[in-house]
Amino acid sequence: AQRVTQPEKLLSVFKGAPVELKCNYSYSGSPELFWYVQYSRQRLQLLLRHISRESIKGFTADLNKGETSFHLKKPFAQEEDSAMYYCALKGSGNTGKLIFGQGTTLQVKP
Amino acid sequence: EPEVTQTPSHQVTQMGQEVILRCVPISNHLYFYWYRQILGQKVEFLVSFYNNEISEKSEIFDDQFSVERPDGSNFTLKIRSTKLEDSAMYFCAGTGGPGQPQHFGDGTRLSIL
Repeated sequence: AQRVTQPEKLLSVFKGAPVELKCNYSYSGSPELFWYVQYSRQRLQLLLRHISRESIKGFTADLNKGETSFHLKKPFAQEEDSAMYYCALKGSGNTGKLIFGQGTTLQVKP
Repeated sequence: EPEVTQTPSHQVTQMGQEVILRCVPISNHLYFYWYRQILGQKVEFLVSFYNNEISEKSEIFDDQFSVERPDGSNFTLKIRSTKLEDSAMYFCAGTGGPGQPQHFGDGTRLSIL
């Protein structure tokens, strides 16, 4: 089965603290994984994808095939990082459909 | 930067009525999708559309649902006879290729009374 699990509904940290948003997946084959972010009252936006291996807004995510994880990390959280974060897996086949996790709300307190 | 636009932003409809949700994708996109998110639940794939036909649909996408792109710009999702459980946020998305990131619209909040 193809599945994405984000175990935390809410993660609350203080400004300047490290952040790790967990994402685990279930997929046979080579997965393609993404993190999308949704700021308050805005659309879902791509934050990063594992194949590009880049850092956006200080966030990074490393694909760990052994642990089937794609956790999102940032060393020092900022208040403007407060948002809903979704981990997504590109489904099998060539339609490009995305399979989303439940999402994690990140709340960064001043 | 071009954006995916969805209308209306909020639709309130009586149960049993037909509803059409509209999306204008980014002009050079070729693959289009509808997703929905019931309040408090995850974003779920409904259907993908390429080359003027459905390329994949989920088990949610039953005979009550249909999609079309009649004029090469608008991409619509029709629900023929709405049910209470159709109340959700519906997102349109598009991309230039199936392996490329998808661009999402703001969504339409559908409320069935």
